[in-house]
Amino acid sequence: AQTVTQSQPEMSVQEAETVTLSCTYDTSESDYYLFWYKQPPSRQMILVIRQEAYKQQNATENRFSVNFQKAAKSFSLKISDSQLGDAAMYFCTLAQGGSEKLVFGKGTKLTVNP
Amino acid sequence: AAGVIQSPRHLIKEKRETATLKCYPIPRHDTVYWYQQGPGQDPQFLISFYEKMQSDKGSIPDRFSAQQFSDYHSELNMSSLELGDSALYFCASSPPNFSQETQYFGPGTRLLVL
Repeated sequence: AQTVTQSQPEMSVQEAETVTLSCTYDTSESDYYLFWYKQPPSRQMILVIRQEAYKQQNATENRFSVNFQKAAKSFSLKISDSQLGDAAMYFCTLAQGGSEKLVFGKGTKLTVNP
Repeated sequence: AAGVIQSPRHLIKEKRETATLKCYPIPRHDTVYWYQQGPGQDPQFLISFYEKMQSDKGSIPDRFSAQQFSDYHSELNMSSLELGDSALYFCASSPPNFSQETQYFGPGTRLLVL
């Protein structure tokens, strides 16, 4: 069975500063994909960033980057230059190759303070 | 760019009634997924369809059924509604070659069962 664990139910950051959200996962498969989704108060589910497990290079998308440690099964999200619009619930998510369904962590609620 | 369309956006039903949720995937996407997100919870996978055939099944109650039609839209049918069915129901779609892409979520249908 696949599991995703987010140990930080809530985090806060000052505007313009950097914050890192933690995530660990467990899967017995070698072919899988990891994602961070953002869910603002509107509750729309928005893709932030994705990482293919076979790629060693950490994914980056503008102010968002990940630290993917495959051996440790860790997948943290770093948000640089935090903006008020980054305030949301962030879900770490795993998709096993061939299964496709997303397994979500419990989420981390990020507050951005002006 | 076209996004996933879900209808209705909001639905209020009484206990023991039935409900039908509709999902229109992004054009040329051939896979549809349904997720249920209860209040304060992470989304849970219900069921998915690939090329009009059920491809995976999660924690979907027997009272629920779903299908994907020839135009790739999908419907989630829910019968004998219970109070606990009150949730946000997401539909997501993905294009062919899942390994290259990811799931894109619709805005969700908020179901309230009274």
